Amino acid sequence: GESVGLHLPTLSVQEGDNSIINCAYSNSASDYFIWYKQESGKGPQFIIDIRSNMDKRQGQRVTVLLNKTVKHLSLQIAATQPGDSAVYFCAENTGNQFYFGTGTSLTVIP
Amino acid sequence: DAGVIQSPRHEVTEMGQEVTLRCKPISGHDYLFWYRQTMMRGLELLIYFNNNVPIDDSGMPEDRFSAKMPNASFSTLKIQPSEPRDSAVYFCASSLGIGAYEQYFGPGTRLTVT
Repeated sequence: GESVGLHLPTLSVQEGDNSIINCAYSNSASDYFIWYKQESGKGPQFIIDIRSNMDKRQGQRVTVLLNKTVKHLSLQIAATQPGDSAVYFCAENTGNQFYFGTGTSLTVIP
Repeated sequence: DAGVIQSPRHEVTEMGQEVTLRCKPISGHDYLFWYRQTMMRGLELLIYFNNNVPIDDSGMPEDRFSAKMPNASFSTLKIQPSEPRDSAVYFCASSLGIGAYEQYFGPGTRLTVT
């Protein structure tokens, strides 16, 4: 029979283009957010974080935007490279509680 | 530091057998987390420890699952008896603190129960 599982959102981009991955979080009291990258066969790796008192934070080729009004988080990757192909998770933290999103699968087309 | 170390990387066992997964956190990290990842449910937190003490085990599926942390450098996740629905990738992670702290994940153990 047909298996039922998570249907990961997918995003395909051309190498060199910018990527935007979105995440909606659930708890308006969440005060810390992290983006993780998970490559095939590996554990999640930290990319960038942001606290709730900020609305933007930049790293190397990555930018995270936080919109608390609509509880939305986005990850922008500039000049996407084949090595960026992975599943990207957002995680929200409220005190000692934290939750991971289901992830978005990014495929970079050479 | 070598990062979080997990063993074995792959485990295949028959239903009913006991399975023990092992984790060595990053030295100096006071928090250790066990996660399970499946296609059906994504990444789920099972349990976490602070200074070797279990703090929140509400994610542990049932009594067949148990976790221990006898010292700051070692933790185990045990499944007894194992069932096919336990098949998943199990991750261990560690961090310096809870809340606004990055978690460092190990490479995972892929468990297959036949």
